[in-house]
Amino acid sequence: SQQGEEDPQALSIQEGENATMNCSYKTSINNLQWYRQNSGRGLVHLILIRSNEREKHSGRLRVTLDTSKKSSSLLITASRAADTASYFCATVREYGNKLVFGAGTILRVKS
Amino acid sequence: DAGVIQSPRHEVTEMGQEVTLRCKPISGHNSLFWYRQTMMRGLELLIYFNNNVPIDDSGMPEDRFSAKMPNASFSTLKIQPSEPRDSAVYFCASSPGLNTIYFGEGSWLTVV
Repeated sequence: SQQGEEDPQALSIQEGENATMNCSYKTSINNLQWYRQNSGRGLVHLILIRSNEREKHSGRLRVTLDTSKKSSSLLITASRAADTASYFCATVREYGNKLVFGAGTILRVKS
Repeated sequence: DAGVIQSPRHEVTEMGQEVTLRCKPISGHNSLFWYRQTMMRGLELLIYFNNNVPIDDSGMPEDRFSAKMPNASFSTLKIQPSEPRDSAVYFCASSPGLNTIYFGEGSWLTVV
């Protein structure tokens, strides 16, 4: 069963714009992770945020976590055509022992 | 490091045939995962192993599916007999813990 639900399902923006993707989940978590999947490839880990953290940065990526709303957002600033991919959030439940993925957001960055 | 290695990358088989997918995890990783990805159901965890022992196989769809990990460097996912609805991309992934999972490039299975 899927723990995370991303929205939007698909997002199309122009190069240089910012892209924001959201993820909601249902149960208490230990951590939340974001992954990217390029077409025809495996998933690649982008960033992890723990349940006691509220914001984290990595290069052009910014992730926020609101445990009271059980939601997270991934912001990609100054997007590039190479950012075109599917983005998934995944959660490890509190006291859990596996990573469960959401349905993903398809991001298209037009040059 | 070569990453997680899966084989075959692509397989087309006829309904009723046995399919065996193979995975070599990253050396030193003690957790191994098999995921299935389809348009309809997204990314589903089928089974995962910790230190070669199956911990949770609740995602295995039915008895036609079986997975083994005879040693720390090799795992198989077998489907027997295969059906058209098994067509999907099957990912193997490994991890030293649950903080980051490293995925292989996937095995694209088509059952006709």
